[in-house]
Amino acid sequence: SQKIEQNSEALNIQEGKTATLTCNYTNYSPAYLQWYRQDPGRGPVFLLLIRENEKEKRKERLKVTFDTTLKQSLFHITASQPADSATYLCALDIFSNSGYALNFGKGTSLLVTP
Amino acid sequence: DAGVTQSPTHLIKTRGQQVTLRCSPKSGHDTVSWYQQALGQGPQFIFQYYEEEERQRGNFPDRFSGHQFPNYSSELNVNALLLGDSALYLCASSLLDEQYFGPGTRLTVT
Repeated sequence: SQKIEQNSEALNIQEGKTATLTCNYTNYSPAYLQWYRQDPGRGPVFLLLIRENEKEKRKERLKVTFDTTLKQSLFHITASQPADSATYLCALDIFSNSGYALNFGKGTSLLVTP
Repeated sequence: DAGVTQSPTHLIKTRGQQVTLRCSPKSGHDTVSWYQQALGQGPQFIFQYYEEEERQRGNFPDRFSGHQFPNYSSELNVNALLLGDSALYLCASSLLDEQYFGPGTRLTVT
């Protein structure tokens, strides 16, 4: 069955450092992969989308890589700030680019301390 | 421009009852998806509506049903509630592949 795995443990880093979160998947051939941020008690907020034919994408302090051979995506936050503390979710399209339905990982909790 | 709105915010129901949750999509969005998020888990896809039809469905029983109205708003209905249905129910609207989520409805089944 399709499976998405993210860092199971919370990630604690110091302000100013780069946070790197991992998303691995099995039994998928996704057309794209997305990253979302979720704060407690709120809905996920879209951050970045990367397509299967793209290796890397950047947006401000965020960078995503997508390796379809390794079946892995890495999500980097550079110059991290306490305001970046949240849960980050990796999501893949379920139905091969049809209908934009998503399957999410459990998320990785990031804590950035001053 | 209002984003995705959901009502109610919180709801407490008893086992065996039925519940209806509502969602208004972001302006201009024609596709609505519903997700269930249990505590400590990622959202799980329930189903998606487009042009008032269920377009895709996840691995949820028939107790979960929905509807989309001509103005693109949507309802999620859950019959014969179980304790395990307690979760945050999220609605997401989309025009292309980026999904905008609402704040969710927290359903507690006792």
